[in-house]
Order: sequence, then structure tokens, then C-alpha cells
Amino acid sequence: AQSVTQLGSHVSVSEGALVLLRCNYSSSVPPYLFWYVQYPNQGLQLLLKYTSAATLVKGINGFEAEFKKSETSFHLTKPSAHMSDAAEYFCAVSEGNAGNMLTFGGGTRLMVKP
Amino acid sequence: DTAVSQTPKYLVTQMGNDKSIKCEQNLGHDTMYWYKQDSKKFLKIMFSYNNKELIINETVPNRFSPKSPDKAHLNLHINSLELGDSAVYFCASSPTGANVLTFGAGSRLTVL
Repeated sequence: AQSVTQLGSHVSVSEGALVLLRCNYSSSVPPYLFWYVQYPNQGLQLLLKYTSAATLVKGINGFEAEFKKSETSFHLTKPSAHMSDAAEYFCAVSEGNAGNMLTFGGGTRLMVKP
Repeated sequence: DTAVSQTPKYLVTQMGNDKSIKCEQNLGHDTMYWYKQDSKKFLKIMFSYNNKELIINETVPNRFSPKSPDKAHLNLHINSLELGDSAVYFCASSPTGANVLTFGAGSRLTVL
């Protein structure tokens, strides 16, 4: 069975600082991995997706994530936080290509201080 | 044009009532979904549906039922509402066989 753990339900950084949001997964097969972002009162938007083509995946808004099989991790980073990055971030895993196989983590709220 | 739209955005109702949330997508996707997000932001799939197959998460009470008049719409009906049904419900869609979902903005249901 697949699962996702996001370490830290809340992360606070200063504007301009590095953003690091942690995600560890469990999967019995090579997984698909995703990061979604949810801005206040909005639905989830796809940030990036890992599909085994490259271990470093670049997404929108300057975010990227690195797949590390040995650590079963898919952490999300951004070199310099912007106020507009404040949102809820969800890591998700899927063992197949069907949308109903997605399992989401519990989310991490990113707060950006001026 | 909004890709996945849900109505109503907010819904407040009494225990025991029956209510519906509507969802429409204009992306031409064949598969639609309903997710429940609880107060701790945990997202759980309730249903996935395309024009051939309904897959129900076995933990979802049978008071919840999806109804699809056509492939662009997937409405959620809830009977005999309970306090624990209070949550944000998200509709989503994807092409068949794809695992990248497009989400609606959510419908916040409050049961009093």
C-alpha cells in the first residue's frame, strides 16, 4: 500500500530565505510523485510531477523537487521565498496512472514573514 | 472560463437534511472525482467516475451518492446529513488514464 508523510504541518520562513518542505513516501512499485499547492479558498493546483524521467523536477513559480529513491523522499524546495508563496502544500503519491490511485499527505502550511 | 466549477461555494444546513453540490468541468476530461478535506486539511478520495465505471471508496457512507447526467457533470448528493459531514468538498477531473487532476475551488459544507 502507498502512503505519504509530510514532516511539519507548519513551516515559517522569512522572505528571501530558502524554502524546504519535506515529503517521504512508501510505495510497493516505482511511484509517481506530485506536489500540489492550495492557496486560501482555492482548489489544489499542480506544482510539479515526477514520472521517472529525471530525478530533479522543476515546477512552476520557481519550485523544484528531487526524487531520492534511497531515502524514499521527494522534498520540495525554492531558493528564495516570496510572500505570494504562502499557502498549503500537499505531497501525493500514485502507484499507477489512474487518477483514483492518488494518496495525499497531510499538507504543510508555508508561512512567509516579511 | 473556470475549468472546474462547483456550486455552492458555501453551504450551511441542519442535521438530517439532504443537500447536493454540483460540479461541472469544461476541459473535455472523461473522469471526475469527489474529494473530502477535513478540518485538519487531510484529503481523502470519495469517488471517481467516468462514463463507464464508478469507483467508490469503501469507507464512504452510502448516504453519499454521485450522480452524473453527462460526462461534464458530477454532482454529489448527501442524505441525512450528520455533524461529521462538515468539511470542504472538492471536485476534480482528469483525462482517462491520467493521474494529474484539475481541482475546483471547493464547497465548504457546515452541518449544524
